[in-house]
Amino acid sequence: DAKTTQPPSMDCAEGRAANLPCNHSTISGNEYVYWYRQIHSQGPQYIIHGLKNNETNEMASLIITEDRKSSTLILPHATLRDTAVYYCIVRPYSGGGADGLTFGKGTHLIIQP
Amino acid sequence: DAEITQSPRHKITETGRQVTLACHQTWNHNNMFWYRQDLGHGLRLIHYSYGVHDTNKGEVSDGYSVSRSNTEDLPLTLESAASSQTSVYFCASSDGDPWGEQYFGPGTRLTVT
Repeated sequence: DAKTTQPPSMDCAEGRAANLPCNHSTISGNEYVYWYRQIHSQGPQYIIHGLKNNETNEMASLIITEDRKSSTLILPHATLRDTAVYYCIVRPYSGGGADGLTFGKGTHLIIQP
Repeated sequence: DAEITQSPRHKITETGRQVTLACHQTWNHNNMFWYRQDLGHGLRLIHYSYGVHDTNKGEVSDGYSVSRSNTEDLPLTLESAASSQTSVYFCASSDGDPWGEQYFGPGTRLTVT
């Protein structure tokens, strides 16, 4: 069973905020929400992660609902270079092993000029 | 600036040949990983290492081996290349929580003919 659900694709106008949703209704108390993206023909890139508080860094903001069943990644001023597939991942801190980072199908974000 | 590099970026080899893909990081990260990415399968973990002389098998380790003789390098060897190993290979590294913020290299596209 997938731990996260994301829309397959989204469009956003250049210069506007891009808001990417992720549903994770079965998230456990010790699980974090991570976001990565993969620009075409490049390696995945870590963006941000959080547990229950909203987080912001130089790339994006992460808003997690109070019940932690969903989250939104916000790119405040999208540029053409933000066109990529964005992956929402739920996993426990320090948890893992043989399955590694599990990327689902993600959201293909297309920034329109 | 610190970085993670992979070489070669593209490789064509014949079935049955031994191939080694290089991964080098200058962040002094303890944790290093090898993934392969194929259409329809997403990222799959091959091998990983938590430090010098430590190696562990991932989800799809058959036919691959790694060794970790220093902090900076984790070469991936295909003992006898098979057409099923045609893929894009990504190396990654992390510090602290090994399964959270992973930093990926640019990838190696391997074709086995």
